[in-house]
Amino acid sequence: QITLKESGPTLVKPTQTLTLTCTFSGFSLSTSGVGVGWIRQPPGKALEWLALIYWDDDKRYSPSLKSRLTITKDTSKNQVVLTMTNMDPVDTATYYCAHRIATSGVEYFQHWGQGTLVTVSS
Amino acid sequence: DIQMTQSPSSLSASVGGRVTITCRASQSISSSLNWYQHKPGKAPELLIYAASSLQSAVPSRFSGSGSGTDFTLTISSLQPEDFATYYCQQTYSSPRTFGQGTKLEIK
Repeated sequence: QITLKESGPTLVKPTQTLTLTCTFSGFSLSTSGVGVGWIRQPPGKALEWLALIYWDDDKRYSPSLKSRLTITKDTSKNQVVLTMTNMDPVDTATYYCAHRIATSGVEYFQHWGQGTLVTVSS
Repeated sequence: DIQMTQSPSSLSASVGGRVTITCRASQSISSSLNWYQHKPGKAPELLIYAASSLQSAVPSRFSGSGSGTDFTLTISSLQPEDFATYYCQQTYSSPRTFGQGTKLEIK
């Protein structure tokens, strides 16, 4: 059974750095084709793709947020960490991590965490 | 970035009815298109991948079609549990953008 769970602060102040951890089980981030992505949803708004890290440590970022995001993995701990610098109230959102599957040219997020709501406020 | 535009943004339908949601890409994405269902307070769930492949355990009343720039998600015989927000997502290139969502409400 594959599970993912996001953890981190629920409240951060403007200009602070947010660090979120995705702890997963049921798959290995060492397996070819596997990745873990981060997606967020501001209240009342759409899903927004943020970043993705691949089994081979390749990384992709949303161009609009690239300067503020860093994604890393710790394969031994089954964790992926997302850091976002210079937080602003507009970054208030539920942040999800998700398990990316890719096979035969097909790619999708098969499993998602429940999400964690992060509020940015002074 | 590839822009994904869904229509309509919201719609109302009755239990037992049939709905079609459209997703248009700003450039050709072949069949690299997924559909997710999202309910408040829950994690999104994969319904359709590669434009028309039904994810395991997803009811057959869900179907997807299209390629290139135009895609559709059809739900036949709506059930009460189908009322949710639906998102398309392209996986042709990074960033893997989502559409703005279509909220399906009970009439």
